[in-house]
Amino acid sequence: AQSVTQPDIHITVSEGASLELRCNYSYGATPYLFWYVQSPGQGLQLLLKYFSGDTLVQGIKGFEAEFKRSQSSFNLRKPSVHWSDAAEYFCAVGSGGSYIPTFGRGTSLIVHP
Amino acid sequence: DAGVTQSPTHLIKTRGQQVTLRCSPKSGHDTVSWYQQALGQGPQFIFQYYEEEERQRGNFPDRFSGHQFPNYSSELNVNALLLGDSALYLCASSESGVWTEAFFGQGTRLTVV
Repeated sequence: AQSVTQPDIHITVSEGASLELRCNYSYGATPYLFWYVQSPGQGLQLLLKYFSGDTLVQGIKGFEAEFKRSQSSFNLRKPSVHWSDAAEYFCAVGSGGSYIPTFGRGTSLIVHP
Repeated sequence: DAGVTQSPTHLIKTRGQQVTLRCSPKSGHDTVSWYQQALGQGPQFIFQYYEEEERQRGNFPDRFSGHQFPNYSSELNVNALLLGDSALYLCASSESGVWTEAFFGQGTRLTVV
């Protein structure tokens, strides 16, 4: 069965600082990987996805993620965080057969001015 | 395009009661998935509907049931509510057989007292 681990429950950064959110997955074959963001009281919005090809994926809002098969990781990065990036971030993994992603428990991003 | 819409936004029910939540998918989408998101957790897959049938189901008891209508809208029903059913219920719509972006609604916050 596929699973996702987000080891950091909370991450605090200063506005303008760089950001990296960690995600490790467990799946036997090549996974489909996603990062979603959830603002308070809102649904989930897709930031980016990896299906195949270039392991560095660009997403919306200036985010990027790198797929590292050897480390079973798909970490999310942003070079300069804005106060509006404060939200909950979820990593998800899917398999080709079910088209249903499995989500991690999320990382809460706090941005200090 | 209104995107995925869910109703109601908030709901308070008493233990033992039954509840129905509703979801209208994004225009052009024929598949609806339901997720339960407990406080501080990632979304957990409940079931997915396509062509008015339950196509896949997560690890949820039979108290959770659903329906999809010919216009692709969907309902989630929960019987014999327990305190532990209190959560944010998210609906996501997508195109069948395609790994692409699943669009999420803003969710229904269910509180069981």
